[in-house]
Amino acid sequence: GAGVSQSPRYKVAKRGQDVALRCDPISGHVSLFWYQQALGQGPEFLTYFQNEAQLDKSGLPSDRFFAERPEGSVSTLKIQRTQQEDSAVYLCASSLAVGGAIYEQYFGPGTRLTVT
Amino acid sequence: AQSVTQLGSHVSVSEGALVLLRCNYSSSVPPYLFWYVQYPNQGLQLLLKYTTGATLVKGINGFEAEFKKSETSFHLTKPSAHMSDAAEYFCAVSMAGGTSYGKLTFGQGTILTVHP
Repeated sequence: GAGVSQSPRYKVAKRGQDVALRCDPISGHVSLFWYQQALGQGPEFLTYFQNEAQLDKSGLPSDRFFAERPEGSVSTLKIQRTQQEDSAVYLCASSLAVGGAIYEQYFGPGTRLTVT
Repeated sequence: AQSVTQLGSHVSVSEGALVLLRCNYSSSVPPYLFWYVQYPNQGLQLLLKYTTGATLVKGINGFEAEFKKSETSFHLTKPSAHMSDAAEYFCAVSMAGGTSYGKLTFGQGTILTVHP
């Protein structure tokens, strides 16, 4: 079956532009995560959804970052007024259920955002 | 708060040699532990995980890791490196327990190079 897909794979934005990054999780997966991976660093947690509910947004770096998952499947990460420091790979992951961390997170290929 | 330290941002081995990638964690309670591999332009793939039970965990592609609580370590090993093992490896932790939803905290990553 299909894995986690993300689009676009690459995005170049001029500073100040708004961008929207899409994640299609594996069908039926309850949990959805967004991570930010800066160049040469490990991924860092941004936000978590359980179905359509955003239960944790503690990792969002500023109020310019907004995420939604309105129907409990596809999710969109939106960045307003992009800044150069937003340049990174944005990873989406989904897992089957909640209840401990023993459910494997399946990662998408990421969207590489470059802000010029 | 949890944290992960991977010793050595770059490790180079010869084909057929032992692979040892080091990971130490900091956590107030024993966490769940993971190793992920990332090939260029691809998402993260789970190699292995430790949750409970046997402290020596075997994963895919001949990798294994041992959880040592007294040393707060979870080092990744493979007896004989193959050229296809060249990639970036990430150690990660998450909070254990039924109320956890599995948010991952990653180390900085170790790039493994395999020489013929």
